[in-house]
Amino acid sequence: AQSVAQPEDQVNVAEGNPLTVKCTYSVSGNPYLFWYVQYPNRGLQFLLKYITGDNLVKGSYGFEAEFNKSQTSFHLKKPSALVSDSALYFCAVRHNTNAGKSTFGDGTTLTVKP
Amino acid sequence: NAGVMQNPRHLVRRRGQEARLRCSPMKGHSHVYWYRQLPEEGLKFMVYLQKENIIDESGMPKERFSAEFPKEGPSILRIQQVVRGDSAAYFCASSLNRDRGFYEQYFGPGTRLTVT
Repeated sequence: AQSVAQPEDQVNVAEGNPLTVKCTYSVSGNPYLFWYVQYPNRGLQFLLKYITGDNLVKGSYGFEAEFNKSQTSFHLKKPSALVSDSALYFCAVRHNTNAGKSTFGDGTTLTVKP
Repeated sequence: NAGVMQNPRHLVRRRGQEARLRCSPMKGHSHVYWYRQLPEEGLKFMVYLQKENIIDESGMPKERFSAEFPKEGPSILRIQQVVRGDSAAYFCASSLNRDRGFYEQYFGPGTRLTVT
């Protein structure tokens, strides 16, 4: 079975400060890891993914994520937060032999204050 | 290139009626996934389909729910005899037609079902 944990329901940061949204996962074998963002009343938008290779993955809108195999984590980061980054963020994991089922975390609401 | 299309965007049904949700994947995508998002919760996998085949329906409730993805036309998620607990946002996603797990899924805007 595969699972994802996002330990923080809410993250609050001031504009211009660095932000981190945490994600840990559990999956047998090699994982495929994804981050998505959801704005109110919208579908999810893909931000970035880790498949293999460099542990630091760069994605859309200046976001990046660091894959840490020993800690089974895939935290989302951004060096300087914008008010427009305020949204709901989801981490997802998929087993490398399962083309279908993605398991999503419960989401973390990021609020960036001016 | 249009994204994933879902309709209707909002659907209101009385208890006991049927709900039919439609999803057209992105052009060139033949893998379709349905997820349900309950209020204040994350997305829960329901079913994974390829054209004319159900690949994984491990997340589908055993009764009243069914899904199809015919050779022609959109994928349909059908909920019979809806109950209030079915009220949720239902998201469809699609991905490239490769039998590997590393392709990201592209999501539609969702259908918000309200059962009165």
